[in-house]
Amino acid sequence: NAGVTQTPKFQVLKTGQSMTLQCAQDMNHEYMSWYRQDPGMGLRLIHYSVGAGITDQGEVPNGYNVSRSTTEDFPLRLLSAAPSQTSVYFCASSLDAPGGNEQFFGPGTRLTVL
Amino acid sequence: GQNIDQPTEMTATEGAIVQINCTYQTSGFNGLFWYQQHAGEAPTFLSYNVLDGLEEKGRFSSFLSRSKGYSYLLLKELQMKDSASYLCAGALYNFNKFYFGSGTKLNVKP
Repeated sequence: NAGVTQTPKFQVLKTGQSMTLQCAQDMNHEYMSWYRQDPGMGLRLIHYSVGAGITDQGEVPNGYNVSRSTTEDFPLRLLSAAPSQTSVYFCASSLDAPGGNEQFFGPGTRLTVL
Repeated sequence: GQNIDQPTEMTATEGAIVQINCTYQTSGFNGLFWYQQHAGEAPTFLSYNVLDGLEEKGRFSSFLSRSKGYSYLLLKELQMKDSASYLCAGALYNFNKFYFGSGTKLNVKP
């Protein structure tokens, strides 16, 4: 099993550009989520999905869109990048809700917005 | 986020024991998790407490008191590879929304 994979590993954008961060898991997990991690602030939940076709907002959803057309894939879209979105982005998955299950994290995407 | 507090940084000596504390708001949380994160890497699961008491797993133990909103992670026989950030986390009210503390950076010195 590859576990949770993310692409790209690094990305530099200019303000106003859009892009999609890819996330895939091969563990047949129902729950997937996106976090951003900034220095001194820990991981913050952006969006999550409890299964194909179902998504919901987390703690910091503004400026991001998600969709879940398959169990395996959960892409994160930045609509119009801003310097405040410079961060490390982690995708995670768990068998079921993370409140009662171990989450598995991808290696992260380091995004810089100029 | 969501009132999960833990110390920012701690230093301990190789071979020693260290306790990392975490406090959280008592209402709404359904159990506490600890994750380990080495610099530049993704977090990995360490432990989960849903009931009060101590859970032991090798050199690592985790304790939870739900009435006090308090948890700690105990690391015994510290090794240099234990130098990492330790993240306290849990789901508030809704099992689907997960919150992390800011993390405690542990420095293990020879």
